[in-house]
Amino acid sequence: KQEVTQIPAALSVPEGENLVLNCSFTDSAIYNLQWFRQDPGKGLTSLLLIQSSQREQTSGRLNASLDKSSGRSTLYIAASQPGDSATYLCAVDYNQGGKLIFGQGTELSVKP
Amino acid sequence: DADVTQTPRNRITKTGKRIMLECSQTKGHDRMYWYRQDPGLGLRLIYYSFDVKDINKGEISDGYSVSRQAQAKFSLSLESAIPNQTALYFCATSDGLYTEAFFGQGTRLTVV
Repeated sequence: KQEVTQIPAALSVPEGENLVLNCSFTDSAIYNLQWFRQDPGKGLTSLLLIQSSQREQTSGRLNASLDKSSGRSTLYIAASQPGDSATYLCAVDYNQGGKLIFGQGTELSVKP
Repeated sequence: DADVTQTPRNRITKTGKRIMLECSQTKGHDRMYWYRQDPGLGLRLIYYSFDVKDINKGEISDGYSVSRQAQAKFSLSLESAIPNQTALYFCATSDGLYTEAFFGQGTRLTVV
């Protein structure tokens, strides 16, 4: 079964710290991987999309990497801020027509 | 205005009632999706549509039906709501296999 796992489920860091969120997937034959942010009770905001032929994508303080051979992606957040507090979701398109399989998310809390 | 709009944003309904959740998009995308989010289970795909004449079941379609009224509109119906359909429902769009998925703000449905 194709699955996506995110560890840890929750993470608390002090403001200013650099941090890494992890995402693993069971099947390396992916089309793309997308990172989302979700604020409590709100919708999903797309952060970064990495296509299967790419190794990383960057947007501002965010950098996402993809290693298909090991079935892993990481989201690096530099110089974290309290406004980064949210749940971060990883989703994989497993060559199934754009249908996404989601991890359960990592709830990030950045303390002032 | 949001690119993907869901109505209603919140709804409380009684067991056995029929309810429709609506989604409209201004992104011009052909592909539309309905997901539900439950605490601890992440997001799971209910139905998806690649164009107006195309409807496909997702992972958890039992108890749901959909209608693609136009390229921009995709509705989800619960024919006879039951309490375990209480969840946060999301509509999403994309324009192909390699591109980003965009999500609406969600509909919080409570079945009592």
